[in-house]
Amino acid sequence: QVQLVQSGAEVKKPGASVKVSCKASGYTFTGYYLHWVRQAPGQGLEWMGRISPNSGGTKYAQKFQGRVTMTRDTSISTAYMELNRLRSDDTVVYFCARGDSYYFDSWGQGTLVTVSS
Amino acid sequence: QSALTQPASVSGSPGQSITVSCTGTSSDVGSYNLVSWYQQHPHKAPKLMIYEGSKRPSGVSNRFSGSKSGNTASLTISGLQAEDEADYYCCSYANTDTWVFGGGTKLTVL
Repeated sequence: QVQLVQSGAEVKKPGASVKVSCKASGYTFTGYYLHWVRQAPGQGLEWMGRISPNSGGTKYAQKFQGRVTMTRDTSISTAYMELNRLRSDDTVVYFCARGDSYYFDSWGQGTLVTVSS
Repeated sequence: QSALTQPASVSGSPGQSITVSCTGTSSDVGSYNLVSWYQQHPHKAPKLMIYEGSKRPSGVSNRFSGSKSGNTASLTISGLQAEDEADYYCCSYANTDTWVFGGGTKLTVL
């Protein structure tokens, strides 16, 4: 069955960077986009961007342009999301989600990133 | 890209039906029949409930249905059950290869 397993919680200082991983299994990794979605405590979902594991091509939401980088390692079926210049309002849960056509059919368990001095 | 507009909360009694609306613009909901709906229980990952406006993934109850009119999509849950109590989010493909979510709706089963 399709599984997306994310890396564990992180605590970072303001201005630092964080890199979250998402390991896929149960399907052909290069056959589906991988999206990143985040959720602040008690708030809604926010789409951050996506990567094509096949080509490595990316598309980012305008809000995160210049601060986010999405990459992948096809040899280990893993995608990564790195966010730079962290601020306190980046204290959220980050989810990866498999994109099947225009929707998200499988999700990772989420990774809490806490930004605190 | 602005978030899609959803009511903050809806409620209903067991057995009743409720509808959650999701209003966008002609650049997202109105342009494509590509709205999806997600159910999220507390501290859990979202779960796909409806895709491409009205299609249900395998395993999702037929009590869940979706529709669209103009710039507004809707999720209807019939025969409400206690386990339906959760947050519900709509999401639409927007132009230029981006996606936008709604702000979420908290469903309370009375």
